[in-house]
Amino acid sequence: EAQVTQNPRYLITVTGKKLTVTCSQNMNHEYMSWYRQDPGLGLRQIYYSMNVEVTDKGDVPEGYKVSRKEKRNFPLILESPSPNQTSLYFCASRALEAPYNEQFFGPGTRLTVL
Amino acid sequence: KNEVEQSPQNLTAQEGEFITINCSYSVGISALHWLQQHPGGGIVSLFMLSSGKKKHGRLIATINIQEKHSSLHITASHPRDSAVYICAVTETSGSRLTFGEGTQLTVNP
Repeated sequence: EAQVTQNPRYLITVTGKKLTVTCSQNMNHEYMSWYRQDPGLGLRQIYYSMNVEVTDKGDVPEGYKVSRKEKRNFPLILESPSPNQTSLYFCASRALEAPYNEQFFGPGTRLTVL
Repeated sequence: KNEVEQSPQNLTAQEGEFITINCSYSVGISALHWLQQHPGGGIVSLFMLSSGKKKHGRLIATINIQEKHSSLHITASHPRDSAVYICAVTETSGSRLTFGEGTQLTVNP
């Protein structure tokens, strides 16, 4: 089954404690991206990657890091989480070539930073 | 002004009604997406279109590139259609996805 998986699904942590949210896709997609969703602000792009070792900032990259060492994985790293990073996070992937570039979303990770 | 604007923000309908959600955008795009988000939070892609019209079951999506406008129609609406519907555009560069704020649809039996 074609899918994007994220782990963990739920996480409560404290300010300053480094964490990683994993994202993996099994569709051999070149493009992967991270979004956060906040009430009243909708979905906003954090980082994206066009292929292995190619990453770039989205609209709200501050406080986040990513890496793309393998095509299937795109982890989101919070080196020193703060309460304003409490949010619902989605990973997504798609092929770069039309018409195959429908977005596939992971199930979401609900993060609370105390 | 947001680059992607949806209307209405909230919509309540009776079962069986025909529903239209609108999306206007101000940037050059290579594709427009309609997404559905259920109360559990998961996001599903309904349509991706760059021109014309697409139909899937009771859902129809249209786009007018010249007017930078798209509509999502739901025929014979059902309570299970209750969800947030989100319009998003892939900008011409192909690297950025920009989202509207979503339309909360509630269909009452």
